[in-house]
Amino acid sequence: GQQVMQIPQYQHVQEGEDFTTYCNSSTTLSNIQWYKQRPGGHPVFLIQLVKSGEVKKQKRLTFQFGEAKKNSSLHITATQTTDVGTYFCAGGNYGQNFVFGPGTRLSVLP
Amino acid sequence: NAGVTQTPKFQVLKTGQSMTLQCAQDMNHEYMSWYRQDPGMGLRLIHYSVGAGITDQGEVPNGYNVSRSTTEDFPLRLLSAAPSQTSVYFCASSYRTTGYGYTFGSGTRLTVV
Repeated sequence: GQQVMQIPQYQHVQEGEDFTTYCNSSTTLSNIQWYKQRPGGHPVFLIQLVKSGEVKKQKRLTFQFGEAKKNSSLHITATQTTDVGTYFCAGGNYGQNFVFGPGTRLSVLP
Repeated sequence: NAGVTQTPKFQVLKTGQSMTLQCAQDMNHEYMSWYRQDPGMGLRLIHYSVGAGITDQGEVPNGYNVSRSTTEDFPLRLLSAAPSQTSVYFCASSYRTTGYGYTFGSGTRLTVV
């Protein structure tokens, strides 16, 4: 079945540094979603990407969907302590359940 | 709108006991699902439903039962609790299976002793 991997598993950054997490699927996807989960909280939907090569921005967050629609990345510019949490990608295909990656846990040192 | 409401927030069970985790949504979402989250393993799908009266198994369904008698409610039943079912359980809902973001409940932290 479809597998979704994320790297790195953990990332520690100094506040103000940039951060990137990568998501890779074993199969071609129809869309991909990103979620953020704060410590002790629940996953919160951030964005969905659908088109090959698509790039979307949300303030300091930049999301990209690969040309082959098998990978994606989330880049945070100038991290802040409010960015702390685990970032999950979820790969989707039409009519099928999303498959979540294991997540990248980000810690930001002030 | 309350979104997705899960109860209880915390629960301790003894091995062999049964219980029901409640999940309700008020967004008229057709799709609802249950996940368990274990350290380092992300979110694993237990059961899901694409509409009232329709349920199906996910990745890790053994030991769990679900029903969907109404659009709003999707309870998860643990038939005979085992220590391996110690986990955090999340209920999620969406307009459809794919194409829309999932709204998650705040979770139930279950410990089986």
